[in-house]
Amino acid sequence: ILNVEQSPQSLHVQEGDSTNFTCSFPSSNFYALHWYRWETAKSPEALFVMTLNGDEKKKGRISATLNTKEGYSYLYIKGSQPEDSATYLCARTTDSWGKLQFGAGTQVVVTP
Amino acid sequence: GAVVSQHPSRVICKSGTSVKIECRSLDFQATTMFWYRQFPKQSLMLMATSNEGSKATYEQGVEKDKFLINHASLTLSTLTVTSAHPEDSSFYICSARDWRTSTDTQYFGPGTRLTVL
Repeated sequence: ILNVEQSPQSLHVQEGDSTNFTCSFPSSNFYALHWYRWETAKSPEALFVMTLNGDEKKKGRISATLNTKEGYSYLYIKGSQPEDSATYLCARTTDSWGKLQFGAGTQVVVTP
Repeated sequence: GAVVSQHPSRVICKSGTSVKIECRSLDFQATTMFWYRQFPKQSLMLMATSNEGSKATYEQGVEKDKFLINHASLTLSTLTVTSAHPEDSSFYICSARDWRTSTDTQYFGPGTRLTVL
């Protein structure tokens, strides 16, 4: 894998259901994996920065895991709410300077 | 959390004119800011790294004479699209890193939608 890829491109979730989606990235030259939530007309909001293989992070009902050896990260949303509707972006960096290489995002729509 | 503003949020201009976009860190100092752009249905792509008090570094394929970046203070970076053409129409967004924190978190502005007629 050469680029950062996210799947699925979009998904619809019923309120109250849990969901998860994937970010795949080149496992070589890995420094950090970033997750952002991006609502329309707003700034992308930083969710997590993950650096260690096996790392798990949690923020409220959202959590993420990281596997640097195989080059993937999962984002989980537990008990989805309409306010979780957004595009979720992942991005990797290869050094401490912070140049982000983004995936195209997963658009999540939570319906009441 | 740290806040980054961006102005204008939307601009429409005629072909051949220049457009300046401002990116400000409101509650922290940013020695480094980044400029990205996004074409429809594509990822955010890094254009350049803006360094306070020195020249910006551009990614491969980005014309430095077309996209002028100035980072004259620790809270302001500007991107000027010179002699804009319709193919420059895109979504431009900046980010800044808060070096006070120990994390690598970057904070983004809300972006600027540029339409060149």
